[in-house]
Amino acid sequence: AQKITQTQPGMFVQEKEAVTLDCTYDTSDQSYGLFWYKQPSSGEMIFLIYQGSYDEQNATEGRYSLNFQKARKSANLVISASQLGDSAMYFCAMIAGAGSYQLTFGKGTKLSVIP
Amino acid sequence: KAGVTQTPRYLIKTRGQQVTLSCSPISGHRSVSWYQQTPGQGLQFLFEYFSETQRNKGNFPGRFSGRQFSNSRSEMNVSTLELGDSALYLCASSLGVAPSPYEQYFGPGTRLTVT
Repeated sequence: AQKITQTQPGMFVQEKEAVTLDCTYDTSDQSYGLFWYKQPSSGEMIFLIYQGSYDEQNATEGRYSLNFQKARKSANLVISASQLGDSAMYFCAMIAGAGSYQLTFGKGTKLSVIP
Repeated sequence: KAGVTQTPRYLIKTRGQQVTLSCSPISGHRSVSWYQQTPGQGLQFLFEYFSETQRNKGNFPGRFSGRQFSNSRSEMNVSTLELGDSALYLCASSLGVAPSPYEQYFGPGTRLTVT
């Protein structure tokens, strides 16, 4: 079974500052993928970034980067230059195991950007 | 390219009734997954379909069922509704095959209220 742990229920960050959202995972599978999603108050889940377990370099997508530390089983999301529109719930998720297309989600972190 | 669409967006039903939710994936995507989101349980996987076949199934009672049509559109059905079925139901689509089999893109969700 897979498990995702997000230990920060809520976080505040000043506009234009960088922020790191923590995520640790647990799986016995060697092949897995890690995801981050953003969920604004409207409810839609917005895909941000993906990291495969065999990817040697950390994934980056614009202002988002994933700090992947395999030995520590962590996949933290770094948002640079925070914007007011970044205020939302952020979910870390994983897919693991051959033939599995099931996302396992963490409980989420509510990020609030302060002007 | 149009995103994932879900209908209806909001639904109010009475205990004991049944409900059908619809999801149209991104054009070219052959995999559709369904998730239930509640404040207490968070995001939980219901099932995943690929080319009209159910590939993965979550741990939900048999009252929850789904299907996928030849055009990749998917429906999920919940029979004999219970108060605990009140939730946001999210549909996600993905290619389901290489080169990006696992990246899932979500629709806006259907918010179901059972009274």
